[in-house]
Amino acid sequence: GENVEQHPSTLSVQEGDSAVIKCTYSDSASNYFPWYKQELGKGPQLIIDIRSNVGEKKDQRIAVTLNKTAKHFSLHITETQPEDSAVYFCAASYNTNAGKSTFGDGTTLTVKP
Amino acid sequence: NAGVTQTPKFRVLKTGQSMTLLCAQDMNHEYMYWYRQDPGMGLRLIHYSVGEGTTAKGEVPDGYNVSRLKKQNFLLGLESAAPSQTSVYFCASRLRGNQPQHFGDGTRLSIL
Repeated sequence: GENVEQHPSTLSVQEGDSAVIKCTYSDSASNYFPWYKQELGKGPQLIIDIRSNVGEKKDQRIAVTLNKTAKHFSLHITETQPEDSAVYFCAASYNTNAGKSTFGDGTTLTVKP
Repeated sequence: NAGVTQTPKFRVLKTGQSMTLLCAQDMNHEYMYWYRQDPGMGLRLIHYSVGEGTTAKGEVPDGYNVSRLKKQNFLLGLESAAPSQTSVYFCASRLRGNQPQHFGDGTRLSIL
């Protein structure tokens, strides 16, 4: 089955700096790659996603890049703010598999004021 | 719209007791999922459903059962709770494959 590895497990940055989280996946059939943000005591919430027919997607301070050949995708957060502090999860899935997603183990991002 | 609602939010059980966790969604989504989240291990799929009346096993199904009698509800049952089932349980739904999942806020379950 699919295996998703996420790095780093913890990341600490100064407010205003950029943060990058990377994920690799194993199944070349995967074609949908969402990123979720989980705040303390809450469920994960989608922040951005990318499909395999696109190499990059941006939404204000957040961007995701996908390299299908290398089977890795990354989340980029620019101009970080304290409210960006949370746990971030990447995931991979393909639509012929009941939409089952395989999640990375998460990255705890701390933005220091 | 409430989205995905999980009941209860917290529960403490004794070993061997049974209970049912309820998940309800009001978005008319076809697919529903139950995950458990343990420290440092991300989200692991327990069971899932691709439509009313259908269920299937995920990655870690042992010790759990599910039912989806109505499209909007997905129930997770623990027949005989064990300390290893202490976890945070999340329900999620999606319209169909390769669409974003919508998560509830979780049920924090402790088994003594």
